[in-house]
Amino acid sequence: ELKVEQNPLFLSMQEGKNYTIYCNYSTTSDRLYWYRQDPGKSLESLFVLLSNGAVKQEGRLMASLDTKARLSTLHITAAVHDLSATYFCASQGAQKLVFGQGTRLTINP
Amino acid sequence: GAVVSQHPSRVICKSGTSVKIECRSLDFQATTMFWYRQFPKKSLMLMATSNEGSKATYEQGVEKDKFLINHASLTLSTLTVTSAHPEDSSFYICSAKGGGETQYFGPGTRLLVL
Repeated sequence: ELKVEQNPLFLSMQEGKNYTIYCNYSTTSDRLYWYRQDPGKSLESLFVLLSNGAVKQEGRLMASLDTKARLSTLHITAAVHDLSATYFCASQGAQKLVFGQGTRLTINP
Repeated sequence: GAVVSQHPSRVICKSGTSVKIECRSLDFQATTMFWYRQFPKKSLMLMATSNEGSKATYEQGVEKDKFLINHASLTLSTLTVTSAHPEDSSFYICSAKGGGETQYFGPGTRLLVL
């Protein structure tokens, strides 16, 4: 059974700092997604990673995928307050998406 | 991009009543729709997968007689919470996919059962 684990689950950081969220998944997967969720809202799609070594960047966020290690990372560069949210990774299983627990990111001025 | 809507966005109902939530794909045909439930500060939990014109496949532990899912057309799926109780209060999110693998998520429906 596919399991997805994120860490850390909570992250409080200062503006301007860099940090990385990790997403491990337990079995071979076709694709890996990253989503953002703001309080009271649904999911906003950030990235989809399809192959080993894939790297995608949008603004201060960069996601990468290592299929051999079954690991994806979401790197935040020079964080700003607007990036405060909960971030989920999800791995595509045979018939369904399996989500990680989510990482609640708080960025303090 | 692909747009999925949900209606209502928010509903409050009395215990024992039934509530229907609609999920629509607005600009594509959704061969498969998914229903998720999210408790506060938790991750999304898949409840069921529905394919147009066939019975939904429920995840283990989800009562199919309580959460009725109908996917009558390629653009509409409904989730009916029957005889709702306070423990059914939650955030319900649907998603839809067309021919590819990407799921497009709806804005969610917040259900409060009093």
